[in-house]
Amino acid sequence: EPEVTQTPSHQVTQMGQEVILRCVPISNHLYFYWYRQILGQKVEFLVSFYNNEISEKSEIFDDQFSVERPDGSNFTLKIRSTKLEDSAMYFCASSEFVLAGGDRGATDTQYFGPGTRLTVL
Amino acid sequence: RKEVEQDPGPFNVPEGATVAFNCTYSNSASQSFFWYRQDCRKEPKLLMSVYSSGNEDGRFTAQLNRASQYISLLIRDSKLSDSATYLCVVGGATNKLIFGTGTLLAVQP
Repeated sequence: EPEVTQTPSHQVTQMGQEVILRCVPISNHLYFYWYRQILGQKVEFLVSFYNNEISEKSEIFDDQFSVERPDGSNFTLKIRSTKLEDSAMYFCASSEFVLAGGDRGATDTQYFGPGTRLTVL
Repeated sequence: RKEVEQDPGPFNVPEGATVAFNCTYSNSASQSFFWYRQDCRKEPKLLMSVYSSGNEDGRFTAQLNRASQYISLLIRDSKLSDSATYLCVVGGATNKLIFGTGTLLAVQP
């Protein structure tokens, strides 16, 4: 069964350093997402990406964050200057498409990768 | 009011029990509804989508009441392997998913 993969599984970095988290979405999916989950808290949306541009971003996704699809398979999240409060589990997700209207709603099923645990010291 | 609200639990139930989880959402424009399951320190995994007509998948039944902005999940004949956190998730007109804090279920032998 196709799955979303993420590397590394755990990243430890010093405050102020740049990190790049990598994801390989499911191959025929067109929509890509990053979410994060601080330990003990709920999963929070960061950003969605479609057709090589950001579709939507949350308040969390400030100028320190950027996303890129550098080739046909990878989807990356970069944090330019990490802060202690960036420590969290970062999940990549992908969906095949977004349905428009109808009882099934606007959001197709999003499949999540196993996550990268980011620890900022 | 929280966007998606769930009872955090924990729900401690014996094997074989029936357990129900409830969830409310604040945005009446929400268009898609899901239950995800999350094991400790793992990624959320889709359990089932929830439709207005209600839907069932084996021991799991999900219901949606749009008028009350209320979603439920019923688990029958609980198994030890059902122990996890159950996340109520709502999608709007955009692709963004909004998660509840989750309800912890512990099934006891």
